[in-house]
Amino acid sequence: EPEVTQTPSHQVTQMGQEVILRCVPISNHLYFYWYRQILGQKVEFLVSFYNNEISEKSEIFDDQFSVERPDGSNFTLKIRSTKLEDSAMYFCASRPTRGQYEKLFFGSGTQLSVL
Amino acid sequence: DAKTTQPNSMESNEEEPVHLPCNHSTISGTDYIHWYRQLPSQGPEYVIHGLTSNVNNRMASLAIAEDRKSSTLILHRATLRDAAVYYCILIISNFGNEKLTFGTGTRLTIIP
Repeated sequence: EPEVTQTPSHQVTQMGQEVILRCVPISNHLYFYWYRQILGQKVEFLVSFYNNEISEKSEIFDDQFSVERPDGSNFTLKIRSTKLEDSAMYFCASRPTRGQYEKLFFGSGTQLSVL
Repeated sequence: DAKTTQPNSMESNEEEPVHLPCNHSTISGTDYIHWYRQLPSQGPEYVIHGLTSNVNNRMASLAIAEDRKSSTLILHRATLRDAAVYYCILIISNFGNEKLTFGTGTRLTIIP
């Protein structure tokens, strides 16, 4: 089965630094998502993206966050100035269409540690 | 977002069937019921979904109550690899809804 791939699997950064998390969604999918999961907590929605623009975002997705699809294959999440509370596992997901019956395919995540 | 209620945790013996319940009493007529699971150190994984009728696939079965206010995910013969957190999620019928909203899920422990 096709997979969503995420790189790197682990990222360590200093507080205040910028990080870019990378994802390659499944090739014929049109809708892309970022979720995060703080250790021991539930999976939280960050943002959805379609047709080169944000479709929906959560309260977590503030001005420090941005998403981009720079080259038609990669889908990136940028955090401009990381904070300690940004430490979490970040999951990318994609789906082919937006139908209620469509399943999301998740990547295996990037563990971000902010020191 | 429409709410679902699941037990925090369940245990089952290996090779026995497991029934994971979910209550969704505020479900609307065209909301889909999805189940995902998250194995340790992995991203969520789709398991099954349904609307009104019971559904079967290679991973599990989904039994939906006649009034659709509850559903049950059935693992017919649990293995150690089924130990995971299982999430019941409603996909509401708002065309603009883009996201799956995860609850706290049920942590399933399989006893060898």
